[in-house]
Amino acid sequence: AQSVSQHNHHVILSEAASLELGCNYSYGGTVNLFWYVQYPGQHLQLLLKYFSGDPLVKGIKGFEAEFIKSKFSFNLRKPSVQWSDTAEYFCAVNEPTDKLIFGTGTRLQVFP
Amino acid sequence: GAVVSQHPSWVICKSGTSVKIECRSLDFQATTMFWYRQFPKQSLMLMATSNEGSKATYEQGVEKDKFLINHASLTLSTLTVTSAHPEDSSFYICSANRGQIESEQFFGPGTRLTVL
Repeated sequence: AQSVSQHNHHVILSEAASLELGCNYSYGGTVNLFWYVQYPGQHLQLLLKYFSGDPLVKGIKGFEAEFIKSKFSFNLRKPSVQWSDTAEYFCAVNEPTDKLIFGTGTRLQVFP
Repeated sequence: GAVVSQHPSWVICKSGTSVKIECRSLDFQATTMFWYRQFPKQSLMLMATSNEGSKATYEQGVEKDKFLINHASLTLSTLTVTSAHPEDSSFYICSANRGQIESEQFFGPGTRLTVL
């Protein structure tokens, strides 16, 4: 069965530090990849998505992710985090049947 | 565009009662709606997928008689938790997508259910 792994469960950074959150999936076929963010008390919002084309995807709020097919990875990056980036981040993979499989999430805390 | 709402945002009920949660796509027609459950500090677990006018498809381990899903229109799906028990307390989230080509799902704000 398809699975999504997020290796970092809890990340603590100071403002202006660089961020990279890991995401690996197991399905070997064609997939769509997503990163969602859940700010405290708010609903899930889409940060960015990859369907096809350029494997380097730019999203909102300065986030980007790189799809590396050979590594089954879709890591999220941001060169300089802000306090407002404190949130839960979820990687998700969309199977051909449309079912979204979520990773376990990474809690990011950014201190001023 | 692509806003999904849920009602209520939170509900507290007594054990043994039933609770209905509504999910609406406000500015688009949703061909498919999804229901998720999120436990504290855990990921979203898909419970079921529903298409308008047909029976929902439940994930393994989800009791379809316990969690009744009705998708009566292209903008409304409901989840009814029947004979709720404290272990059903959770955060229930729905999502919807706009079509078969577009795989992106748009999420509702969630409903916090507490069963006493």
